[in-house]
Amino acid sequence: DGGITQSPKYLFRKEGQNVTLSCEQNLNHDAMYWYRQDPGQGLRLIYYSQIVNDFQKGDIAEGYSVSREKKESFPLTVTSAQKNPTAFYLCASSPPLSIANEQFFGPGTRLTVL
Amino acid sequence: QKEVEQDPGPLSVPEGAIVSLNCTYSNSAFQYFMWYRQYSRKGPELLMYTYSSGNKEDGRFTAQVDKSSKYISLFIRDSQPSDSATYLCASRKTSYDKVIFGPGTSLSVIP
Repeated sequence: DGGITQSPKYLFRKEGQNVTLSCEQNLNHDAMYWYRQDPGQGLRLIYYSQIVNDFQKGDIAEGYSVSREKKESFPLTVTSAQKNPTAFYLCASSPPLSIANEQFFGPGTRLTVL
Repeated sequence: QKEVEQDPGPLSVPEGAIVSLNCTYSNSAFQYFMWYRQYSRKGPELLMYTYSSGNKEDGRFTAQVDKSSKYISLFIRDSQPSDSATYLCASRKTSYDKVIFGPGTSLSVIP
């Protein structure tokens, strides 16, 4: 089955801790994205990557970091510098940016800071 | 002002009703318009996609774009309980640009 997987589904973090959210895809897509979803707000772009070993900041990158060492994987680290990290995090992928109109989303990770 | 706006609802309709979901956008450069459906605790999935103004129909779903008024609509005919979800409209300027999502409208179809 082709698709995007995210783990864990639920994650609890104490204040001051860094946590890493996993995102893996086997769709052979070049582009990958991380979004944050909060109640009453649209999906907000955190980081995106169009190709391996390259990524760009989105609209709300502060307090987050990413890596793109493999085409299939785009992990997101939520650092202690992120002041309000409790949210639903969605990873997505799409074919090369120049021709893509559809983004394929994973099932999401719900992060709660205790 | 947010670039893409939607009434968050919730919207509740009886089974079989015609549903109208609406968005407005502020950037006249937007050319691509999408509707995503998101079930509770799941990731969004693309439902409809249109380019520029006009209508597009797919089964019980019709997407409509009016660029002169910057208005995007999604119509659902013969609504079913399985249509209960949050519907996100989204836009982008070109296929190279990032997608801008609206906040979503929550829809419940009551049997």
